[in-house]
Amino acid sequence: QQPVQSPQAVILREGEDAVINCSSSKALYSVHWYRQKHGEAPVFLMILLKGGEQKGHEKISASFNEKKQQSSLYLTASQLSYSGTYFCGTEFDDMRFGAGTRLTVKP
Amino acid sequence: DAGVTQSPTHLIKTRGQQVTLRCSPKSGHDTVSWYQQALGQGPQFIFQYYEEEERQRGNFPDRFSGHQFPNYSSELNVNALLLGDSALYLCASSFGNRGFVRNYGYTFGSGTRLTVV
Repeated sequence: QQPVQSPQAVILREGEDAVINCSSSKALYSVHWYRQKHGEAPVFLMILLKGGEQKGHEKISASFNEKKQQSSLYLTASQLSYSGTYFCGTEFDDMRFGAGTRLTVKP
Repeated sequence: DAGVTQSPTHLIKTRGQQVTLRCSPKSGHDTVSWYQQALGQGPQFIFQYYEEEERQRGNFPDRFSGHQFPNYSSELNVNALLLGDSALYLCASSFGNRGFVRNYGYTFGSGTRLTVV
């Protein structure tokens, strides 16, 4: 029931782009994206709803393919502050999270 | 505006003991979900409480139990602790209305780091 994320880890230079993918075996109401920095709580970034509505962050965008039950998070022109572990959460009856993608942005 | 508050922040227990973790949801939130996060892993859903009842439960044994109080705060109890219970326990709050969750997501606390020795 947990979503599957890929890749497991990404290393970028400042200004580069990254894509993180999330897929589920179940039909979903929504997909959430969270970022967790080391030793801190996960922070809500973005939610994608059935029907294509998207709510979230300025420089981070995402897509949600309902038919394929997949979502992708796009981080463009990455900044050092983007470093952290990104989790997708898929909502059906409750919220289940993927194993995370560790993103490291280097100067 | 206080977010989600969890206590204690760190805890060391001996195998076989019992532990109680506490969570105060964000002001205005009435739903509390508990997650277990092992090192390097994603949060694993334990259960969710709404209106003082367990609404959903993940794949955790009965040693894990909880409670929600009339003020919406919640406790997570773990009996007969095992070494494998060592993890970060996260509490997330939201408003019971599904439309809320689908617009605003969950607010997480900083967690309780439980070490079982």
